[in-house]
Parts: sequence; C-alpha cells; structure tokens
Amino acid sequence: DAGVTQSPTHLIKTRGQQVTLRCSPKSGHDTVSWYQQALGQGPQFIFQYYEEEERQRGNFPDRFSGHQFPNYSSELNVNALLLGDSALYLCASSLGLAGGGRYEQYFGPGTRLTVT
Amino acid sequence: QKEVEQNSGPLSVPEGAIASLNCTYSDRGSQSFFWYRQYSGKSPELIMSIYSNGDKEDGRFTAQLNKASQYVSLLIRDSQPSDSATYLCAPGDLRGATNKLIFGTGTLLAVQP
Repeated sequence: DAGVTQSPTHLIKTRGQQVTLRCSPKSGHDTVSWYQQALGQGPQFIFQYYEEEERQRGNFPDRFSGHQFPNYSSELNVNALLLGDSALYLCASSLGLAGGGRYEQYFGPGTRLTVT
Repeated sequence: QKEVEQNSGPLSVPEGAIASLNCTYSDRGSQSFFWYRQYSGKSPELIMSIYSNGDKEDGRFTAQLNKASQYVSLLIRDSQPSDSATYLCAPGDLRGATNKLIFGTGTLLAVQP
C-alpha cells in the first residue's frame, strides 16, 4: 500500500521565481492538505483540496495557490518567491466527507525548499 | 494566547520510564485531536488520534482528552531511546472536507539510555 509521495525532495530557487510542488495521496484517500513548516516550528496549514476544489485556506497570501486533479493528486504553486518561503512543505492525505468522521491525516516526506 | 500550547522541552526521561507530554488548546469547538511524532529532518508521523473524553491506549502509548479543560496529553510507557523525537499536538478544525490541523511547536523528548 503506497503512502503519500511528494516531489521533488529538495529544491533551490532564487527570489522572485516560481515553484511547483507535487503530491500523490495515500491509496484510497481523496483529500489533500498542504502545510508549511519553518525550522523549529510546527506545521502551518496552507489549504485543503477535496473534489478538485479548495475547501479551506489558512493565512497565506495569494502567491500560494494549488490544484487537485481527478486522480486526487495535487500541486502547490508559489509565485514571486521570498526568502521567508524557505521551509519544509508537507502534503497530508486523508478521507474527506465520506470518511465517516475519521479524519486522520498522513504526511508525505516533504519537499525542502530553499530560496536564495 | 496561542491556539495550541506545548512545553518546548527538552523533556528528558531515563530509558524505561514513563514520558508525559501535555498540550492545551484554545478552540472549544475542536472535536478531534492528534499526536504526531517527528524525528529530526523527517516529516510528522501520526501515532494517536482521540475523539472522545477519556483515555485511549495503543501499545505503549496512551492519549488522554479532557474537552472541558481543553487539555490533551500523551503518555509513553517503557520509553526507549528510539522514542527521542519532537511530539506535536494537533487539534482539528473541521470546517472544510476534513480537518485543518492546528499544530503547537512541539515538545522535544530525549530518552536517556
């Protein structure tokens, strides 16, 4: 049973550039959530996708956008990168509204983004 | 007041002892609670979920929830050096299709051999 996968593992970008991160959810899951984890901090919720729509969003600017595909995989896009965007980006998969109240989220290995 | 508060530690316990990790949260509407373990340089790993007041046991782990006090804890029995990690408490905010997890900064646990 494949777990949550993310690509790439590491990425180095320059300020002002754009980046796309990818996530495939755990088999059987239909909901993807994205989190940003800065060094020494807990993960911060960015947004959540279910049925190809953004369902909830955290306190992140519009530079952060996403997409979910019919196969439930998801992308996170960040435009106009800032130095402060350097962090570990985590994707978590879960069951959505059909999960019967079981909302455990399972994280992928993350993408380490460094902005120089 | 922070949404989720945890003692950052480090919490140092000898091998074989019970480690007790505590967490308080501010949102009275939270109905689900999760504990994650995160090794340095790795992603968080779900170790316990709890939805009702009281205790829930799974192997060496026991989660305790008191919604009236807005308090959740994790006990690790027979602590092993391999348990040394940061433990993250995360109440869930269910408004979308699934929970928005709200994390504390985590408690660093160090189990001494």
